[in-house]
Amino acid sequence: AQKVTQAQTEISVVEKEDVTLDCVYETRDTTYYLFWYKQPPSGELVFLIRRNSFDEQNEISGRYSWNFQKSTSSFNFTITASQVVDSAVYFCALRINAGNNRKLIWGLGTSLAVNP
Amino acid sequence: DSGVTQTPKHLITATGQRVTLRCSPRSGDLSVYWYQQSLDQGLQFLIQYYNGEERAKGNILERFSAQQFPDLHSELNLSSLELGDSALYFCASSPSGGNSDTQYFGPGTRLTVL
Repeated sequence: AQKVTQAQTEISVVEKEDVTLDCVYETRDTTYYLFWYKQPPSGELVFLIRRNSFDEQNEISGRYSWNFQKSTSSFNFTITASQVVDSAVYFCALRINAGNNRKLIWGLGTSLAVNP
Repeated sequence: DSGVTQTPKHLITATGQRVTLRCSPRSGDLSVYWYQQSLDQGLQFLIQYYNGEERAKGNILERFSAQQFPDLHSELNLSSLELGDSALYFCASSPSGGNSDTQYFGPGTRLTVL
C-alpha cells in the first residue's frame, strides 16, 4: 500500500527560527515521485518541489531545502530563518508508477505558524 | 499564479441542488485532475482526464461527474448535493498526465452546501 505520513500536525515557531517538516512515505514501487506543496491562508496549492526516486541529491532553493533519504523513506523539508509569510499548511505527496493511475497520494499536511 | 483558472471562486447552494465547477488548464497542458479537500478527509483525488478522455478515477461519488471538452477545459458536476459535499474543490493540470508530471493547481472553488 502507498501512504504518506506527516506526523507533525501543527508547528509554531518564532520568526528567524529554522524549522523542519517531516514526511515519511511508503511504497513498494522502485520508481516514484515525491512532491511538496504549500497552501497559504488564501487557499491555493502552490507547487514547491518534485523529486524522483532515483535522485537522492538534496536540494536548496533560497531558504528552502529538502533532504531525501531512501534508506528511511523520508523526504523532509527545512525552512531556514523562517518568516511570517511562510505560515501555511505544507503537504507532502507521493506519485507512483501504477499503470494509468497518476493520482497523488497526500499526507494530511503540517500547519506551520511563524510568529513575529 | 499557476496558470490554472477555476470558476467560480465561491459557491453557496442548498441541499439537493446541482452545481457545475469549471476549470481551464495551463496553456499546453492536456491532463486535468479534480480533487476535493475537506476538513475530515484531507485532499482526495476524484478523477483525471487526458485530452478529453477519462484516465483515472478516484474516490468520486456517483452523484458527481466530470468531462473534458475539446478545448481542454473541464467541468465537474455535483448533483443532489448534501451537507457533506461542502469542501474546497481543486482542479490541477499537467502537460501529459505522465508519472513524472508536476500537477499545477488552480485557486480552488469553495463550495458551501446549506
